[in-house]
Amino acid sequence: DAGITQSPRHKVTETGTPVTLRCHQTENHRYMYWYRQDPGHGLRLIHYSYGVKDTDKGEVSDGYSVSRSKTEDFLLTLESATSSQTSVYFCAITPGQGDTEAFFGQGTRLTVV
Amino acid sequence: AQSVTQLGSHVSVSEGALVLLRCNYSSSVPPYLFWYVQYPNQGLQLLLKYTSAATLVKGINGFEAEFKKSETSFHLTKPSAHMSDAAEYFCAVSSTSGTYKYIFGTGTRLKVLA
Repeated sequence: DAGITQSPRHKVTETGTPVTLRCHQTENHRYMYWYRQDPGHGLRLIHYSYGVKDTDKGEVSDGYSVSRSKTEDFLLTLESATSSQTSVYFCAITPGQGDTEAFFGQGTRLTVV
Repeated sequence: AQSVTQLGSHVSVSEGALVLLRCNYSSSVPPYLFWYVQYPNQGLQLLLKYTSAATLVKGINGFEAEFKKSETSFHLTKPSAHMSDAAEYFCAVSSTSGTYKYIFGTGTRLKVLA
């Protein structure tokens, strides 16, 4: 399995509080992604990074920010959590060469109450 | 812009029957196409991928998919379903232009009946 670790794996937080999810990789891959998974919507891209300090928005980026200060870490922050952000969050990585697929972490289940 | 459509959010088959999960894509450039499987409470695992080397792609666990450019389709099949195939399946598209954004369909949950 690709070396991807997401933390925490489960979190319950209150509306209005800030939350940071961490994705750590040991593969030295260039690209890192944050997706959210919701019933009926599949996986939707929130933000992605194509290098240290290089990030871009995905299709559902409102309410989320990201940072990548090191190759191995990609942080997703919910500045002020809302109930609509209750979801399962997946981190993915890829080397960004040719026809390689994305490799996924085990996910973080976030509940905003 | 790229997109993926998976027809049928839920599919049920009998054990031993043919599995057919449908995926149609939209892409302005030649795509890479992927099928992933997700078992309960787990991440996504790659089943197979199309990278233009061959239109019929074989993957793990007896699955295969055929790329049909004229139909913009990449349907997933397995000749004989097994109980262990029960899972959610996702089709995804990525661009060959170097942007490396993976766009996923909404998923198909496969149920295998004994």
